[in-house]
Amino acid sequence: GENVGLHLPTLSVQEGDNSIINCAYSNSASDYFIWYKQESGKGPQFIIDIRSNMDKRQGQRVTVLLNKTVKHLSLQIAATQPGDSAVYFCAEIPAGNMLTFGGGTRLMVKP
Amino acid sequence: NAGVTQTPKFQVLKTGQSMTLQCAQDMNHNSMYWYRQDPGMGLRLIYYSASEGTTDKGEVPNGYNVSRLNKREFSLRLESAAPSQTSVYFCASTQRAANTGELFFGEGSRLTVL
Repeated sequence: GENVGLHLPTLSVQEGDNSIINCAYSNSASDYFIWYKQESGKGPQFIIDIRSNMDKRQGQRVTVLLNKTVKHLSLQIAATQPGDSAVYFCAEIPAGNMLTFGGGTRLMVKP
Repeated sequence: NAGVTQTPKFQVLKTGQSMTLQCAQDMNHNSMYWYRQDPGMGLRLIYYSASEGTTDKGEVPNGYNVSRLNKREFSLRLESAAPSQTSVYFCASTQRAANTGELFFGEGSRLTVL
């Protein structure tokens, strides 16, 4: 994963709009990817995962897209709500190795 | 169902002091982990325990030791704290193998080393 230092990228969206959070992963051997949500003062919480043999997976209001050609992962949140405000981390697992977290993106939802 | 419980939630230490962060999970998970999170950054793995009786180094193990006391408990010890160890520490657990993704995290322990 990449470290982005002290300043997280921030995405600001209007309540009710769709959100797209992007992540570039580093290891072409990674075969499993996860998105986590971290609310202020709490530990990360699993949202959704996807294996490298898939390019799309849907959950409740969330969709993860995987583009292995350009090593890109995205999380789409439909009808964004104030409760979606958090920092979102992508994580990758190269086969046989440990989970590695990316640097995170802060999502701010405007009422 | 408490999930993953960490203590203490906050701690201030002076350089050179020692302390132990405690973690317990009540989900009967096999694997447990300790991560640190620095401001604006992702989590970095310090140590993990794939199963009771085993521990392994992660990405940033220097300055730390761990003990898998039993299946429920996994502690992290700082023998001689340094300002570089100021961070938020998260314990996590999972039922599956050590290299799979659905981790359950505690709420974190915020440590400041002066």
